[in-house]
Amino acid sequence: DVKVTQSSRYLVKRTGEKVFLECVQDMDHENMFWYRQDPGLGLRLIYFSYDVKMKEKGDIPEGYSVSREKKERFSLILESASTNQTSMYLCASRRGRGYEQYFGPGTRLTVT
Amino acid sequence: KNQVEQSPQSLIILEGKNCTLQCNYTVSPFSNLRWYKQDTGRGPVSLTIMTFSENTKSNGRYTATLDADTKQSSLHITASQLSDSASYICVVSAAKNNAGNMLTFGGGTRLMVKP
Repeated sequence: DVKVTQSSRYLVKRTGEKVFLECVQDMDHENMFWYRQDPGLGLRLIYFSYDVKMKEKGDIPEGYSVSREKKERFSLILESASTNQTSMYLCASRRGRGYEQYFGPGTRLTVT
Repeated sequence: KNQVEQSPQSLIILEGKNCTLQCNYTVSPFSNLRWYKQDTGRGPVSLTIMTFSENTKSNGRYTATLDADTKQSSLHITASQLSDSASYICVVSAAKNNAGNMLTFGGGTRLMVKP
């Protein structure tokens, strides 16, 4: 069974704080993704990585950065959290192009 | 621009009844279409995947159809159960030459099954 885990289910941070969201997958998947999900907007891709130390911007990368130093771990970083980054953040991984994406349970981030 | 539109946005049905969710897309070039189920507070889980040549695919009480000519898909749920209450998301994959098959997500249909 593929397992994608995220470091926190719920997180509350203050405006201006630096926030780290961690994602780990245990199936040796090449590709990893970070999405945010907001009511009425669906899932939107923030960043993805198709290999270690590789990253590409998704549709809404502004205000975010990522790090993939090891194959199993993909981190999303909010350099200076803002209230408009309050959202559900979902991490996903897949073996490679054309394969199914497996999602983590999500992190609900609230920025006050 | 690639788009995926789902309807209805929300739906309430009685336990035991059937329902059909719709997905229209304008993604090109088309690679595949997946239906995901997302329980509240959880990540999405894949129900079915359909490629260009497939018209129908079933997974238990879930049956997905695909009409590649009209670019429409539907998800039919038979004999609904309370545990079917969730959001159902249609995701269309566009084929690209690089390492990433880019996905376009629909906004989802929120289904509530009442006893």
